Amino acid sequence: NAGVTQTPKFRVLKTGQSMTLLCAQDMNHEYMYWYRQDPGMGLRLIHYSVGEGTTAKGEVPDGYNVSRLKKQNFLLGLESAAPSQTSVYFCASIMRQGKAGELFFGEGSRLTVL
Amino acid sequence: GESVGLHLPTLSVQEGDNSIINCAYSNSASDYFIWYKQESGKGPQFIIDIRSNMDKRQGQRVTVLLNKTVKHLSLQIAATQPGDSAVYFCAENTGGFKTIFGAGTRLFVKA
Repeated sequence: NAGVTQTPKFRVLKTGQSMTLLCAQDMNHEYMYWYRQDPGMGLRLIHYSVGEGTTAKGEVPDGYNVSRLKKQNFLLGLESAAPSQTSVYFCASIMRQGKAGELFFGEGSRLTVL
Repeated sequence: GESVGLHLPTLSVQEGDNSIINCAYSNSASDYFIWYKQESGKGPQFIIDIRSNMDKRQGQRVTVLLNKTVKHLSLQIAATQPGDSAVYFCAENTGGFKTIFGAGTRLFVKA
């Protein structure tokens, strides 16, 4: 099984450019999440979704938008990238009826904004 | 590639020794706690979990201890191996939808 797949794995943007990160999971999981990871700060929750067509804000949602049009996909968008958004982004998913915190993570997407 | 967590607390242990990684959590309403392991260039992976109605849980070579009185969580790794070198995160779940992560601890295993 592929599990959780993120694309692209690496991207360099100029300030003001836009881009979308794609997360796909093949485990039929209900919940999906986007985290960012910065040095010394662990993982911070950006947005999450508890089902197809629903999204909600996490700890650090500003500057990001998300969409969950299909159950297996969760997209993270940056409309106007800023250097402060340079980070490693991780997507994760979890079964609705599974353990409440056992997240399955993708391999990460490293974004650099110049 | 470049490592994340360059300024994390670090624990260095000799191969074969036991490791203890500590974590303090802040939300007394959290009822589910998890330890994740993150190897360089990869996403975090689940290690072991514990619910708030327990104070100890054992897995294969790992034990998690929970002290709700002082809001403290620890991960014990027995007979630490080079493959255990990674960043370890504790996380707490406060209501089923969100998992909040701590800053992490980097474990170095010396051969």
